[in-house]
Amino acid sequence: LAKTTQPISMDSYEGQEVNITCSHNNIATNDYITWYQQFPSQGPRFIIQGYKTKVTNEVASLFIPADRKSSTLSLPRVSLSDTAVYYCLVANSNYQLIWGAGTKLIIKP
Amino acid sequence: GAGVSQTPSNKVTEKGKYVELRCDPISGHTALYWYRQSLGQGPEFLIYFQGTGAADDSGLPNDRFFAVRPEGSVSTLKIQRTERGDSAVYLCASSLRAPVAGGTDTQYFGPGTRLTVL
Repeated sequence: LAKTTQPISMDSYEGQEVNITCSHNNIATNDYITWYQQFPSQGPRFIIQGYKTKVTNEVASLFIPADRKSSTLSLPRVSLSDTAVYYCLVANSNYQLIWGAGTKLIIKP
Repeated sequence: GAGVSQTPSNKVTEKGKYVELRCDPISGHTALYWYRQSLGQGPEFLIYFQGTGAADDSGLPNDRFFAVRPEGSVSTLKIQRTERGDSAVYLCASSLRAPVAGGTDTQYFGPGTRLTVL
């Protein structure tokens, strides 16, 4: 059963680049890696998704090495509003996303 | 356009009572999901609908939990004989299509219903 492991929490400062690494040693051949963001009292929100190499959108980049056993979410120049919980997800055999506890990211001024 | 909405936003009930939680998905989304989230934890999958039918209900914790989606749009999660352990935020999400291999289907979440069982 594919699952992910990510740090429980991270701290950084405004204007810094933040990288959150997730390990998924048992990822299946056809699995994508998906990241969601969740603010307090809100539902999760999709950030980015990728299969291999690098994906970039307007809010983040996702780096996936060739063996796909890990991935790194990169948030450029974070602000206080990036304080949230970030989830790294892969799917199970029923195609359902597997949710762990996520990484609580705290951005300080 | 309108996102996923859930009502009520908060529900306080007494142990043993029956509750219904409602979810209005994004129009045109065929897939609808229910999750439960406890403090400090990630969402826990409960059930997923494809159209009107429950395609995967493997996450429902016991037979006190039941969900319907009679017309393939709005869904109701029903909890009978509530227990204090049922207290959590219940999240609903919808996606345009059914989950596919690889888990590529983007889910859009509502704000959740906070259920408190006294």
